[in-house]
Amino acid sequence: EDQVTQSPEALRLQEGESSSLNCSYTVSGLRGLFWYRQDPGKGPEFLFTLYSAGEEKEKERLKATLTKKESFLHITAPKPEDSATYLCAVQVPSGGGADGLTFGKGTHLIIQP
Amino acid sequence: EPEVTQTPSHQVTQMGQEVILRCVPISNHLYFYWYRQILGQKVEFLVSFYNNEISEKSEIFDDQFSVERPDGSNFTLKIRSTKLEDSAMYFCASSERGRGGSPLHFGNGTRLTVT
Repeated sequence: EDQVTQSPEALRLQEGESSSLNCSYTVSGLRGLFWYRQDPGKGPEFLFTLYSAGEEKEKERLKATLTKKESFLHITAPKPEDSATYLCAVQVPSGGGADGLTFGKGTHLIIQP
Repeated sequence: EPEVTQTPSHQVTQMGQEVILRCVPISNHLYFYWYRQILGQKVEFLVSFYNNEISEKSEIFDDQFSVERPDGSNFTLKIRSTKLEDSAMYFCASSERGRGGSPLHFGNGTRLTVT
């Protein structure tokens, strides 16, 4: 069974205090690893796709990296508006024509001013 | 930027009633999905849909659930006889391709409350 585990469950940082969120996964055949941001009462908002070990993607204060067993979402000098739940999801081959996503439980990030 | 839209944003229904949740996917996307999120839990896959048929479904998606693309723009999820445990946020998503790491784009969800 495909497993996605995110840590920590919750993280409170001061504005400007950099940190990393972890996503470890156990799957058979990875098509892609995705990071999403979810604000309260909203749907997941797409951030990044990573396809293979060693790949990195950046967007503003966020950088995502991928190894064969885990992914990290690095947040550099965060601002209060970066407060959200960050979700990791994996896409694996399915028997049908569309590969869905398996999500982790997320990391609830709070950035204090 | 194109987005997935869902209606209604909140639906309250009584146990045993039928509900239909509606979604308008992004216009050039061909693959459609329903997910649900029970309060405080992770986002769970329900069903994927392509070429007017179900591509894959999870154990959650039992005979009480059905999906339909009644016209060229809408994608619906029907729950035939709602139970208390169906209370959750239901998210519709769409993607350009069905595989190859194509990202899913989600709507803002319908909060279903079953009383």
